[in-house]
Amino acid sequence: TQLLEQSPQFLSIQEGENLTVYCNSSSVFSSLQWYRQEPGEGPVLLVTVVTGGEVKKLKRLTFQFGDARKDSSLHITAAQPGDTGLYLCAGPTGGGNKLTFGTGTQLKVEL
Amino acid sequence: NAGVTQTPKFRVLKTGQSMTLLCAQDMNHEYMYWYRQDPGMGLRLIHYSVGEGTTAKGEVPDGYNVSRLKKQNFLLGLESAAPSQTSVYFCASTSAGGPRTDTQYFGPGTRLTVL
Repeated sequence: TQLLEQSPQFLSIQEGENLTVYCNSSSVFSSLQWYRQEPGEGPVLLVTVVTGGEVKKLKRLTFQFGDARKDSSLHITAAQPGDTGLYLCAGPTGGGNKLTFGTGTQLKVEL
Repeated sequence: NAGVTQTPKFRVLKTGQSMTLLCAQDMNHEYMYWYRQDPGMGLRLIHYSVGEGTTAKGEVPDGYNVSRLKKQNFLLGLESAAPSQTSVYFCASTSAGGPRTDTQYFGPGTRLTVL
């Protein structure tokens, strides 16, 4: 079973601060995805990284896939209250387009 | 285009009662999934389907059954609910393309409490 561990589990910061969330595994993944989930809603895909060492930017969010394709990070610059939510990493596992999800990082950005 | 919808949004059951959760998608997706979400454990796959008339077990299938009689619908059943099944249930769907680029589209969830 491929496991994805995320850290930290909880993060509470002030508006304007920077932060990094990590997603780690002992297994190699062909790609990794990051989803954001807001309260009362389902997860929504933010990005997919597919190449070792790849860096993708989405406005103030920067995603990186580790060179060995076993880990990924999400960096948020100048966090805003709208960034509040649960961030989940996920990687493909087995057939049927199944995904294994990480344990999640709950982020709260306060004014 | 409603995407993925789930019925009901909330439900309270007593131990031993049964119920069915309905998931519907209007994106003509081949693959559909049922997950449960518990604090600190991310999303865990219960059952999934790769096409109409097919179902398969996921990571935590015990105590649940599913059916996919129509391509757009995926039903999750609890025959005899237990307090351990208190959770938020999410349905998702995706197309049958390669896993590197496909997105799973999620419904809004069903919050189930078993007393």
